[in-house]
Amino acid sequence: NAGVTQTPKFRILKIGQSMTLQCTQDMNHNYMYWYRQDPGMGLKLIYYSVGAGITDKGEVPNGYNVSRSTTEDFPLRLELAAPSQTSVYFCASSPQAGMNTEAFFGQGTRLTVV
Amino acid sequence: KQEVTQIPAALSVPEGENLVLNCSFTDSAIYNLQWFRQDPGKGLTSLLLIQSSQREQTSGRLNASLDKSSGRSTLYIAASQPGDSATYLCAVRSFYNQGGKLIFGQGTELSVKP
Repeated sequence: NAGVTQTPKFRILKIGQSMTLQCTQDMNHNYMYWYRQDPGMGLKLIYYSVGAGITDKGEVPNGYNVSRSTTEDFPLRLELAAPSQTSVYFCASSPQAGMNTEAFFGQGTRLTVV
Repeated sequence: KQEVTQIPAALSVPEGENLVLNCSFTDSAIYNLQWFRQDPGKGLTSLLLIQSSQREQTSGRLNASLDKSSGRSTLYIAASQPGDSATYLCAVRSFYNQGGKLIFGQGTELSVKP
């Protein structure tokens, strides 16, 4: 009963380092999303994907990259980490974009850039 | 552009009180609206999904209503308990957002005092 799994749960990066946040889902969902949540704020969309090989930018894509080679996995890459990227990152998935489609979220990755 | 607002940002009530959380959105062309619960340091747990054709949904002590024409949704919590303390987020899935992206409000932080 895994759902959406994110790794790692916590990470501290130094300025200028790179890392990949992993996200995998076992529900065979086509749509996957990466959001970031800053203190006291709602979630803002970084990137999304509507299927393997198809990705697009969200509201706040600068400093991030994604790929989607399989239906299950949607990794988020941070290049040259900056303090402004300190945040909690959530991955989500849903089967499609219609009326009766619920979004499912992972437990988040808490990232600190120092 | 779809915008979602939640008021108040924080709410403190005594145990046993019935309460209402508010969510408003600017564009009524939505597929659905979803209410989430977020415990401190945790991920998002889906509470209720209301399709655009529905007026309300119920789950236990929770009842969510949707009025598309006025751009409002409410989450009613009956007989509140200290375990209900958490941040409650609403999110809408708009017709015109490619990829079925969820647009989030900033959340209402609820504290239920024993």
